[in-house]
Parts: sequence; structure tokens; C-alpha cells
Amino acid sequence: GESVGLHLPTLSVQEGDNSIINCAYSNSASDYFIWYKQESGKGPQFIIDIRSNMDKRQGQRVTVLLNKTVKHLSLQIAATQPGDSAVYFCAEIPNTGNQFYFGTGTSLTVIP
Amino acid sequence: GAGVSQSPRYKVAKRGQDVALRCDPISGHVSLFWYQQALGQGPEFLTYFQNEAQLDKSGLPSDRFFAERPEGSVSTLKIQRTQQEDSAVYLCASSLAWGSPEAFFGQGTRLTVV
Repeated sequence: GESVGLHLPTLSVQEGDNSIINCAYSNSASDYFIWYKQESGKGPQFIIDIRSNMDKRQGQRVTVLLNKTVKHLSLQIAATQPGDSAVYFCAEIPNTGNQFYFGTGTSLTVIP
Repeated sequence: GAGVSQSPRYKVAKRGQDVALRCDPISGHVSLFWYQQALGQGPEFLTYFQNEAQLDKSGLPSDRFFAERPEGSVSTLKIQRTQQEDSAVYLCASSLAWGSPEAFFGQGTRLTVV
């Protein structure tokens, strides 16, 4: 089956600094790679996605980078704010299906 | 409401009891997913529907788990003869179209089996 994993389980950053959250994946045959944010007591919330034929995509304060050579995905958050504190999951959609496969997650704590 | 709604929010079941978890997806969303999330872990795929058709149930951990979406809208996840290892948060998500990377999740149902 698919395997999506994260390098670091926890990350602490100062408010205003940039954050980088990393993810390794093992399934090369995926159409999409996605980042979700989950706050305590809530369901995951979509942040940004990137198709497998791209290597970079930018959103509002967030950038996702995809390196297919080393099967690595990262999420960069600019000017991190206290409201960014949450668990961040990477996920992928294999080209054989429609379901998402999630990694374990990285807990981001923003220090005011 | 405009989001995915799950009920109940919390459920305590005695071991051996049957439970039914409900999901109301966003109106018009054709894809519906169920996930199981253990404490400190990422969501684990259980099953998904395209309208009323259950296209993949490979993630259901045993034949005690059953899901349905008879009219292509509301879905129910049923767990028979609950066991302690079934304790988890059960998340439902819906998306507008097949293959869409943006799924909308409900708040989940926290099931505790005692």
C-alpha cells in the first residue's frame, strides 16, 4: 500500500518566522499531493495541493514544493502566526483511486 | 449549514454494542469518504462512495464495519459488536467531484468503547 511519512513530529517557531514542514512519500504513482491542517477537536482542513507534474505551487502565505527525484514534499508557511499552530498532514491521491492517504502529521507550535 | 455535519459528536459504547455514525455531506458533493483517526495519528482510509456506489471498502478493518449511502447523500457507518480497539475519531469528508484534491471534513465522531 501507499506510505506517506513525515520527517519531524514536532516543530516550534517564533511568531513572524517562516516554517518549513517536510514529508516523504513512497508511491511515485500519485496524481496529487496535498497539505491539510488540523486544529484540536476539528477535522482536517485543506490548505494547498500540487499536481504530480508540477514542482512548486504558491498560495496565500504558503508554498508547496514537490521533489519527485527524492520523493519529498514540503510546506512553507511565511510569517507564521499563532493561528497557524496545528497538526499538518501531507496526503496523496494515487492515480488508481480517489481516496487520500495521510501521513502521521507534524505538530506546529507558534511561540508568540 | 454549509459544511459536513457528523453526529453524534461523542459516543460511548459498551463493548459488544452496535453503533451507527451519521454523516451529512455538503449538498451536491458526489464523493464521500470515511476515515478512522487514532490519537496522535493521521487519518486512516476506511471506505469511499461515488454517489450511492461504494467504490472502495478496502480500508474497513473487519466485517464488523459496514457503510452505506443509499440515496447518494447521507451516509452511515455502522460498527457491530464494538471492541476497545475501535475507539477512535471517525471522520467523514466529501468532495465535489471524483479526483478532487480538496475534501471537506466534518468535525468527527469520537467513539469510546468501554
